[in-house]
Amino acid sequence: GDSVTQMEGPVTLSEEAFLTINCTYTATGYPSLFWYVQYPGEGLQLLLKATKADDKGSNKGFEATYRKETTSFHLEKGSVQVSDSAVYFCALSDPSGYSTLTFGKGTMLLVSP
Amino acid sequence: GAGVSQTPSNKVTEKGKYVELRCDPISGHTALYWYRQSLGQGPEFLIYFQGTGAADDSGLPNDRFFAVRPEGSVSTLKIQRTERGDSAVYLCASSLTGTSGNTGELFFGEGSRLTVL
Repeated sequence: GDSVTQMEGPVTLSEEAFLTINCTYTATGYPSLFWYVQYPGEGLQLLLKATKADDKGSNKGFEATYRKETTSFHLEKGSVQVSDSAVYFCALSDPSGYSTLTFGKGTMLLVSP
Repeated sequence: GAGVSQTPSNKVTEKGKYVELRCDPISGHTALYWYRQSLGQGPEFLIYFQGTGAADDSGLPNDRFFAVRPEGSVSTLKIQRTERGDSAVYLCASSLTGTSGNTGELFFGEGSRLTVL
């Protein structure tokens, strides 16, 4: 079945550091790929998405590129802020499905001033 | 309200008891999803409703779990004869339409944390 693997956390960075959170996936066909974020005390919310190979999703300074050849969708940000501290989830949806999502285990990011 | 609302936010119960968790989706959203998130894990799909009907219940772990959405809006997840392994955060999400071309835009509630003693 479909699965998502992302790097274990926590990832601890200083403000303005460069961020990479790795995500790889296994799926039949050509899934859509997503990053969701969960800030402390809040529900999961969509951060960015890409629906086909070589697409780049971007939002709030975060980017991720859909790489079919490496089955990856790594999340990057050039300069993190304390307010980016959250848990980040990589996810995919089966193109033939109903928008049900398969999630990775999540990566906690802690940014210190 | 503007977002997905889940009640209760916290529920502590004893092994063997019956539990109901409620989800009030965003108004107008026809698709509703239940996920379960255990400690240190990502959300795992339980069931998906399109309108009043369960379009996909393949994620329900066993027949102790059941969910309804009688009027196509509010949904209730019901767990019978709770076990300690049921302890988790139960997440509800809604979207405008389930077959939305994989937009992936699910709107999540804050979850109901269930603890079974």
